[in-house]
Amino acid sequence: DVKVTQSSRYLVKRTGEKVFLECVQDMDHENMFWYRQDPGLGLRLIYFSYDVKMKEKGDIPEGYSVSREKKERFSLILESASTNQTSMYLCASTPGGAGRNSPLHFGNGTRLTVT
Amino acid sequence: QKEVEQNSGPLSVPEGAIASLNCTYSDRGSQSFFWYRQYSGKSPELIMFIYSNGDKEDGRFTAQLNKASQYVSLLIRDSQPSDSATYLCAVNTQNTGGFKTIFGAGTRLFVKA
Repeated sequence: DVKVTQSSRYLVKRTGEKVFLECVQDMDHENMFWYRQDPGLGLRLIYFSYDVKMKEKGDIPEGYSVSREKKERFSLILESASTNQTSMYLCASTPGGAGRNSPLHFGNGTRLTVT
Repeated sequence: QKEVEQNSGPLSVPEGAIASLNCTYSDRGSQSFFWYRQYSGKSPELIMFIYSNGDKEDGRFTAQLNKASQYVSLLIRDSQPSDSATYLCAVNTQNTGGFKTIFGAGTRLFVKA
């Protein structure tokens, strides 16, 4: 069974701090994604990656960056946290290749609060 | 126009009834379509996926796809209180080098005992 692990369930950070959200998957999936989820807005794609050291901007990349140094790990970085980045962050993965029909496997989410 | 649109609800149905959830999408090139269920405070979990026109049934769930109308639906037969959750419609769209998944905002379903 695929396991996607996010390092923290809850985080509280101060405005201006640099924040790292970590995600690790154990099924050798090529594709990894970061979403944020806000009430009434659903899941919005921040960044994604199809391979090591590769990244693509999603729909709302502003204020975020990512790092994928190893296939199993995909990190989301908030360079200078702001209160409007308070949200639930969800990491997900899928296999590549014929992945167009593959569903997302989600981690448990990180609830980030920026004060 | 949002890429994937759903009625936010809430949709309320009595126990044992059929719940009908609807979704439209804007990208005609979309290849695959998914329904996820999300309980409060939990991550989304896959219910069904469909990629050909027509119906696909799995137990009490039926997904319906009409690519000409750019419309996807999910029917839940014999609804149970445990079906009360938010249902997310998701669509895979082509992107450079592969596919990305875009979500609707979700429909909240309440099944009354």
